[in-house]
Amino acid sequence: EAQVTQNPRYLITVTGKKLTVTCSQNMNHEYMSWYRQDPGLGLRQIYYSMNVEVTDKGDVPEGYKVSRKEKRNFPLILESPSPNQTSLYFCASREGQNYNSPLHFGNGTRLTVT
Amino acid sequence: GENVEQHPSTLSVQEGDSAVIKCTYSDSASNYFPWYKQELGKRPQLIIDIRSNVGEKKDQRIAVTLNKTAKHFSLHITETQPEDSAVYFCAASNSGYSTLTFGKGTMLLVSP
Repeated sequence: EAQVTQNPRYLITVTGKKLTVTCSQNMNHEYMSWYRQDPGLGLRQIYYSMNVEVTDKGDVPEGYKVSRKEKRNFPLILESPSPNQTSLYFCASREGQNYNSPLHFGNGTRLTVT
Repeated sequence: GENVEQHPSTLSVQEGDSAVIKCTYSDSASNYFPWYKQELGKRPQLIIDIRSNVGEKKDQRIAVTLNKTAKHFSLHITETQPEDSAVYFCAASNSGYSTLTFGKGTMLLVSP
């Protein structure tokens, strides 16, 4: 089954403790992206990647890192999480050459930073 | 960059009524406009999209219209059902951007 898999689904952590949220897709998509969803603010893009070893900042990249060493994986790294990063995070992928192809979202990761 | 405004933020209708959600965008070069539906606790999923060379597109009870001159597009749902209750997001992009810009979402509640 074609899918985007995120782990973990839920994560509670403390301020300053480094964490990684994993994202993997099995559709051979070139393009992958991370969004955060907050009430009243919709979906805001954090980082995206057009292909292996190519990453770019989205609208809200501060406090986050990403890497794209393999086509299928696009982990989101919070080096020193803070409470304002408490949010619902979604990874998404699409065909890279077709900018108007559908985005496929993962099931989301709900992060709480205390 | 692109800016997408979406209205209303919440919309309550009775089952069987029609619902309309409107979006405006700022970049006249945008030419792809998808709509995503997010049910409670689930991920957003594409329900319909439209490209700038088309003024209207229908898929059963849902339709999207686009007015490029005014830079706005709308989602129309007819004969609403309780299972239409969800948050709906509009978005816009163009070939010059690698990203979709989303509106803030509309929570649609359909009461039986």
